[in-house]
Amino acid sequence: KAGVTQTPRYLIKTRGQQVTLSCSPISGHRSVSWYQQTPGQGLQFLFEYFSETQRNKGNFPGRFSGRQFSNSRSEMNVSTLELGDSALYLCASSLAEYRIRNTEAFFGQGTRLTVV
Amino acid sequence: AQTVTQSQPEMSVQEAETVTLSCTYDTSESNYYLFWYKQPPSRQMILVIRQEAYKQQNATENRFSVNFQKAAKSFSLKISDSQLGDTAMYFCAFMKQSNNNDMRFGAGTRLTVKP
Repeated sequence: KAGVTQTPRYLIKTRGQQVTLSCSPISGHRSVSWYQQTPGQGLQFLFEYFSETQRNKGNFPGRFSGRQFSNSRSEMNVSTLELGDSALYLCASSLAEYRIRNTEAFFGQGTRLTVV
Repeated sequence: AQTVTQSQPEMSVQEAETVTLSCTYDTSESNYYLFWYKQPPSRQMILVIRQEAYKQQNATENRFSVNFQKAAKSFSLKISDSQLGDTAMYFCAFMKQSNNNDMRFGAGTRLTVKP
C-alpha cells in the first residue's frame, strides 16, 4: 500500500507570491491533516479535512487555506507569502472514522518551502 | 489550551543501553491520547507508540515502552537496547479524544545513539 505522498518535495518562492502544496493520502483514508514545522515554533496544526469538509482549524491567519477533493486528496494554499512562512509542511492521513482505534496518523515526507 | 513540554532538547545514549525521554502535558480533558513520534533525517514522522488516557496499563511496543502517570500528567518514553537507527528527533504529542487529528506536539528531543 502506498504511503502518504506530498508534492513537491522542495519549493522556492518569492515574498508576495502564492503557493499550493498537494497531499495524496493512503488509499481508503478520508482524513487529511496539515502541519507546519519550523525551528522556532516547532510542529503546529494547520487544519484537518474529512470528506471534503474542514473539521478543525489551528491558529493561523486566513492566508493559509486548504481543501479536499472527493478522492480525499488535499491541497493547501498560502497566499501573499512572507519570509516567516518558510517551513516544512507535513501532511498526515488517517481513517479517523471510529475514534482513536482507526485514527493512527501516517505522515508524508513533507514539502520544504523556502520563501526568499 | 493543551501544552506539551519536552524538557530535554538533546540526549545521547550508548548503543545497547537504555534511555528515557521525558514529556509532560497540561490539559483539563479527561479523555485524550498521547503519542511518541520519531522523525529521522528523512523527515518522515513515524509513530513509535501511543497511549489512551483511559487505559491504566502502560503501552509497550517491542523495545519501546512508556511510563504514563495521568495524575502527574507525565508521559515518558523508554527505549531499551538502543540501536543506531534510533537516532532521530522524538516528539511527544497530545490529542483530545474529541479532536479530529489535531495533535499538539512538544518541541522535540534530539536523540543520538553512539556506537
